[in-house]
Amino acid sequence: AQSVTQLDSQVPVFEEAPVELRCNYSSSVSVYLFWYVQYPNQGLQLLLKYLSGSTLVKGINGFEAEFNKSQTSFHLRKPSVHISDTAEYFCAVSDSNYMDTGRRALTFGSGTRLQVQP
Amino acid sequence: EAGVAQSPRYKIIEKRQSVAFWCNPISGHATLYWYQQILGQGPKLLIQFQNNGVVDDSQLPKDRFSAERLKGVDSTLKIQPAKLEDSAVYLCASSSGLAGAKNIQYFGAGTRLSVL
Repeated sequence: AQSVTQLDSQVPVFEEAPVELRCNYSSSVSVYLFWYVQYPNQGLQLLLKYLSGSTLVKGINGFEAEFNKSQTSFHLRKPSVHISDTAEYFCAVSDSNYMDTGRRALTFGSGTRLQVQP
Repeated sequence: EAGVAQSPRYKIIEKRQSVAFWCNPISGHATLYWYQQILGQGPKLLIQFQNNGVVDDSQLPKDRFSAERLKGVDSTLKIQPAKLEDSAVYLCASSSGLAGAKNIQYFGAGTRLSVL
């Protein structure tokens, strides 16, 4: 079984300040890790993904995340946020061995609402 | 490349009525998913199709929910009869199903259901 914990339900931050959104996961198998963003009344858009290799991954819109296997974390960061970054952010995991197990579904955290203030 | 298409975008019904949602995945994507997103929560899988076969429907309330993907392309999710707790956004996603795609899923805009 897998689970994802996003410790902060809301993160208020001023424009141009740095931000970190925290994600911890639990899994008995090796995983792929994802961050998705959801703007109001829209679907989920993939921000970035960790599949293998370098633990620091870069995504769209200036976001990056670092995979820490020992701490089972995958925190999302941005050095300087904009008003347009205001949205809900979801961390998700999937079984990396999905081609053999058939278990392809993503397990999501409960989301973190990033509120960027001017 | 066109994305995942869903309709309708919004639906309001009364409890005990029935409702259906439609999804057309990205062309060529073999795997299709329906997720339920209740307000304030992350999406949760309802059902997963591989081509036209069901792979995982363990979380689907089968007494009231049904889904089909008859020709391995578009899919329909139905609720009959609806309950108040079914109020949620229903998200459809698709992935290519190939090993090289690394299980990356692409989501539609969702259907927001309100049950009164």
